[in-house]
Amino acid sequence: AQSVTQLDSQVPVFEEAPVELRCNYSSSVSVYLFWYVQYPNQGLQLLLKYLSGSTLVKGINGFEAEFNKSQTSFHLRKPSVHISDTAEYFCAVSGSGGYQKVTFGTGTKLQVIP
Amino acid sequence: KAGVTQTPRYLIKTRGQQVTLSCSPISGHRSVSWYQQTPGQGLQFLFEYFSETQRNKGNFPGRFSGRQFSNSRSEMNVSTLELGDSALYLCASSRDRSGNTIYFGEGSWLTVV
Repeated sequence: AQSVTQLDSQVPVFEEAPVELRCNYSSSVSVYLFWYVQYPNQGLQLLLKYLSGSTLVKGINGFEAEFNKSQTSFHLRKPSVHISDTAEYFCAVSGSGGYQKVTFGTGTKLQVIP
Repeated sequence: KAGVTQTPRYLIKTRGQQVTLSCSPISGHRSVSWYQQTPGQGLQFLFEYFSETQRNKGNFPGRFSGRQFSNSRSEMNVSTLELGDSALYLCASSRDRSGNTIYFGEGSWLTVV
């Protein structure tokens, strides 16, 4: 079994400031990790993913995330946010062997303040 | 390459009616999953289909059903609609069942009145 915890339900941040959205997971097997973004009235768009290799993963729109196995974390960061980054962000995990269901966190709403 | 396509995008139904939602996966993708998203419950897994067979099912009543066709397109059906079924229904596709990346459609917004 696996689970994902996004501790922050809402994160307000001023425009051009840095932001970190936290994600912790638990799993008994090796994992794949994902961040998705959902803009208002839209579906989920893949931001970035960690499958293997380098623990620092770069995604679209200037976002990046770092896989930390010892802390079972996959935090999402952006050095300078823009108004257009206002959206809800979902962290997700799946096991990396055989059939593996994707499990989603409860989401973090990022509100960028002008 | 076209993404995951869901139809219809918006619909309004009356309590007691039934509804069918359609999903066309990305070309070459054989696994299709359905999720229900509501403000109170977040993203909840409904079911997954692969090679025309339901492989996994979430904790939803039997009023929720689905199927997958030989071309991997999928439909989900909700019978005897209740007000609480109002939600965004999201379809996601992936190449296989390895958990290696799923891609979402724009969703179908269902309002039950």
